[in-house]
Parts: sequence; C-alpha cells; structure tokens
Amino acid sequence: SAVISQKPSRDICQRGTSLTIQCQVDSQVTMMFWYRQQPGQSLTLIATANQGSEATYESGFVIDKFPISRPNLTFSTLTVSNMSPEDSSIYLCSVVEDVNTGELFFGEGSRLTVL
Amino acid sequence: EDKVVQSPLSLVVHEGDTVTLNCSYEVTNFRSLLWYKQEKKAPTFLFMLTSSGIEKKSGRLSSILDKKELSSILNITATQTGDSAIYLCAVYRNNDMRFGAGTRLTVKP
Repeated sequence: SAVISQKPSRDICQRGTSLTIQCQVDSQVTMMFWYRQQPGQSLTLIATANQGSEATYESGFVIDKFPISRPNLTFSTLTVSNMSPEDSSIYLCSVVEDVNTGELFFGEGSRLTVL
Repeated sequence: EDKVVQSPLSLVVHEGDTVTLNCSYEVTNFRSLLWYKQEKKAPTFLFMLTSSGIEKKSGRLSSILDKKELSSILNITATQTGDSAIYLCAVYRNNDMRFGAGTRLTVKP
C-alpha cells in the first residue's frame, strides 16, 4: 500500500496568514485528494488534485482560498490562504492506488489551529 | 444530489455488547463502498464492498452490502473499549470518494 508523508503534522497560525501543507507519496498515483475535517465532523472533500492541471474543487471551496499544486504523480501541496479561526481543522491528503477498488490511503493529517 | 447517510450518529454501549452501524447512499456511478475507523487523525481502512450479499469479516468485525437497498451495515460483536472510535462509511464513485457523517462509537468498561 502507498505510504504517504504529510507535513506539517500540526501548526498554530495567526489569523490572516497562509500555510502550505505538503503531501509526498512513495509511488506514482493517479488519484489524489485533499479532505478537511472540522472539529466533531466527518471528512469533507476539498478538491481533487490533478497532475499538470488545475485542481477540481468541490462546491464551497475555491482556488483563491485553497490553491493546490500537483507537479507530478507523487507530490501535492495545499495552501490555506488568509486563514481565520474557522479554518482550524485537520487537513488530510489521500490517494487511490487501485482505481478499480477505490481503496483510499491517507496521510497522517495536518492539524491546524488558527488563533 | 449525491449523499451518504450514516446512522446512528453516536452510540454508547458497554463492553461485550454487539453493535450494528448503518450506511445508506444515493450516488451516481457507484463503484464500491468502504468502511474506515478513525481514532486520531487519519482513518484506517476496514472493508471494501463491491458485491451485494457477500459478507466481509475480520475478527469481530463484519460488513455486508445490499445494492438493492443501497445500504451497508457494519457489525461489531463482543465490543471492547478499543473499539471506541468514529466509523466512517464512504462511497467510491468514478472520480472521488464521498464520506458519510460518521458514527461515533463509545464502548464503556
């Protein structure tokens, strides 16, 4: 199974600043996603990170707020821009190795707290 | 609109009890249904179901899919305190994975 390294593991940020989360996979994967999990809630899909093109965002999420890069099949970044306390969440990078089964592997998650 | 609905949202039981968690879905381009357990940050994979009526089993956990009823159940027998977690149901479509709200299970000694 894919091994996913995500960093930072956690961070405390000031309102109005931006933070970039990195996701590194130990193998080439076609499908890579970014999820958010707000306190006490389930996972919400932010966007699908597409290699070499713009990410596909879900309703309620926009590129200006959550710019995503995916320069190759093993790496992606998610930036949380102009943060507010409402952005305090766990952000999870995930990949599908086998598109036939859809089994999703997760990074360790990044816990962001915005003061 | 596509949706994945889990019930109950939370459940408190005592050690030794048996629990049944439910997941229903309405999605286009269904490919598979997956169950995950989340204790800390990242969910861990439990089961992947694609065919109706075939039970998947792992120790005290088992799960089955009913594609006619568009639903799945996850059973945990002889619960232990270590089973306390959020259990997430997810439906894999052609291009993404949609999660339900989760069931928060608390097992008391």
